[in-house]
Parts: sequence; C-alpha cells; structure tokens
Amino acid sequence: GAVVSQHPSRVICKSGTSVKIECRSLDFQATTMFWYRQFPKQSLMLMATSNEGSKATYEQGVEKDKFLINHASLTLSTLTVTSAHPEDSSFYICSARAPRDFYEQYFGPGTRLTVT
Amino acid sequence: GNSVTQMEGPVTLSEEAFLTINCTYTATGYPSLFWYVQYPGEGLQLLLKATKADDKGSNKGFEATYRKETTSFHLEKGSVQVSDSAVYFCALSDVGAAGNKLTFGGGTRVLVKP
Repeated sequence: GAVVSQHPSRVICKSGTSVKIECRSLDFQATTMFWYRQFPKQSLMLMATSNEGSKATYEQGVEKDKFLINHASLTLSTLTVTSAHPEDSSFYICSARAPRDFYEQYFGPGTRLTVT
Repeated sequence: GNSVTQMEGPVTLSEEAFLTINCTYTATGYPSLFWYVQYPGEGLQLLLKATKADDKGSNKGFEATYRKETTSFHLEKGSVQVSDSAVYFCALSDVGAAGNKLTFGGGTRVLVKP
C-alpha cells in the first residue's frame, strides 16, 4: 500500500510554454501533499505544501505565480510550471501524507522536466 | 532554522564491507529523524526512522540511533550488498508543524562493487 504515482515521468517543453505534472495517491487519501525540486546530485528542496481544498503554502523564494499548485481532491495534486524557462529544468518530486501517518511521507517516482 | 548535514559521497565499497554514513542535525524542539533511500531511476523510499531520543530505527540490515546529546543519526550496515547501491538521504521532520515538513541532507551516493 501507500503508492504515489506521478505523470508524466519525463517531459520536454519549449521555453515560454506551460507544463502540468500530476501527483496521485493510488491507494490512500492524502490530506497533504508536498512538492519538491531536486537539482542534479543535490538534495530535495521543498517548494510547497498542498492541502486538499485550500491554497498551497509556498516556501520562501518560490514564486507562487510561476509554480501553480492545485490539490483538487484527496488523491490528486497538480503542479503547473507556467511560462517555463531553461532554468526551470529539474527533477520534480511529490510526496503524500496519509492522515494515519503523522510522520511518514510517501514519495512519487519524480518527473524530469527539460525546457529547451 | 532546521538543517541536516551528511557526509558527502560518493562512497565506494566492496561487497560485505561495513558502511557508515554520518548525519548530524540542527533543530529547534524535538524532531523525528529519517533515512530515505533512492535507488537509480526511482523515487525516495523510507528506510528507517526514529521519533525520540535513544530510539533505534532498523530495516533491511541498516540501523541508526537517535543521539540527542550529539545531535546525530548515523546510518550503519554491517555487510553491504551490490543491491545497496543507491543515494541515501538523512532527514528530519518538524514535529507539530503544519504539514509535517521534511528537511533533507545533501544525500550520499553509495556504490557497492562485487
């Protein structure tokens, strides 16, 4: 149990376009989802915390108008990178927390975004 | 603020060697501590955790003890296998904070050679 999926696994887009990444909890309801960014050979940086039915809470330095997060249901959160630029190229990872597990986050496999 | 520092890699070992990855943390309050593992091409998986001082987390032959006095949570395995090759992340959780945020260390790449 506790499987989190992401779609797509890889995406290439042109500079100036927008791209949407989906994060789904497959076998549990996730009241809270998290979005991270991972640069090559570096650690995960928390971008935002997403609670179902409410606005996401963004970490300092993360542009909320650039990275739009929607947590529309208990099993789905989406991250939209708007007007993407090459510097947005990165590995984006989501995680989900089930109500029963206060401490544990279940991670998705990640999405590799390349902006050309 | 919270921070996690872990030894830089890559760490290259032979099969059946002893593995230690050092991890120290800085936190206000009483965090929970975690080790996550990321196998090539996969997402992070929880390896083990400890929620209070002196707790020992263990899984798949790996162990780590929550040492409050030294603010450390070093990961150890007595005899590594090739399949243990992965990136290991130490992390702490801000207990009680909204959303239960995780703060990660920089990750340590481990390569086990046959």
